[in-house]
Amino acid sequence: GQQVMQIPQYQHVQEGEDFTTYCNSSTTLSNIQWYKQRPGGHPVFLIQLVKSGEVKKQKRLTFQFGEAKKNSSLHITATQTTDVGTYFCAGGSSNTGKLIFGQGTTLQVKP
Amino acid sequence: DTGVSQDPRHKITKRGQNVTFRCDPISEHNRLYWYRQTLGQGPEFLTYFQNEAQLEKSRLLSDRFSAERPKGSFSTLEIQRTEQGDSAMYLCAGLDRGRTGELFFGEGSRLTVL
Repeated sequence: GQQVMQIPQYQHVQEGEDFTTYCNSSTTLSNIQWYKQRPGGHPVFLIQLVKSGEVKKQKRLTFQFGEAKKNSSLHITATQTTDVGTYFCAGGSSNTGKLIFGQGTTLQVKP
Repeated sequence: DTGVSQDPRHKITKRGQNVTFRCDPISEHNRLYWYRQTLGQGPEFLTYFQNEAQLEKSRLLSDRFSAERPKGSFSTLEIQRTEQGDSAMYLCAGLDRGRTGELFFGEGSRLTVL
């Protein structure tokens, strides 16, 4: 079945440093979504990418969808302590809306 | 606030007991999903409904698990004869009618099986 893998599993950065997490799917995706989960919280939607090669920005966050629609990345510029949490990518089905989640990348930011 | 509520938030039970979780999405969520999440892992798909119809169930899901959405509104997830391996966070998520995209997750129901 479809698998979605994320690296790294953990990342510790100093506040102000950049952060990137990478996501790879075993199959071509119809779309990819990114979620953030704070400690003790539930996943919260960040963005959806649909088109091959798509790049979207949200303030300090930049999301990319690969040309083959099998990989994606999330880059955070100048991290802040509020960025702490686990970031999940999830491969989506356009028919069912079902998401297959990666294992997540947990970001710790030292002030 | 996503508008999706789950109950109970925490459940501690002894092995072999049955437990039931409830999810109340908002009326716009014609699709409803159940996920399970263990520590350090991403949410794992269990099953989903479109209105009252259960359209897909994970092959990983034991026969001890059953879910319903009788009137296309709230949903229940029952686990019979619980095992310690069932300990996890059970997440419910809704999807707006006619859309693919953002899932609105509830706060989750944390199950601990002793």
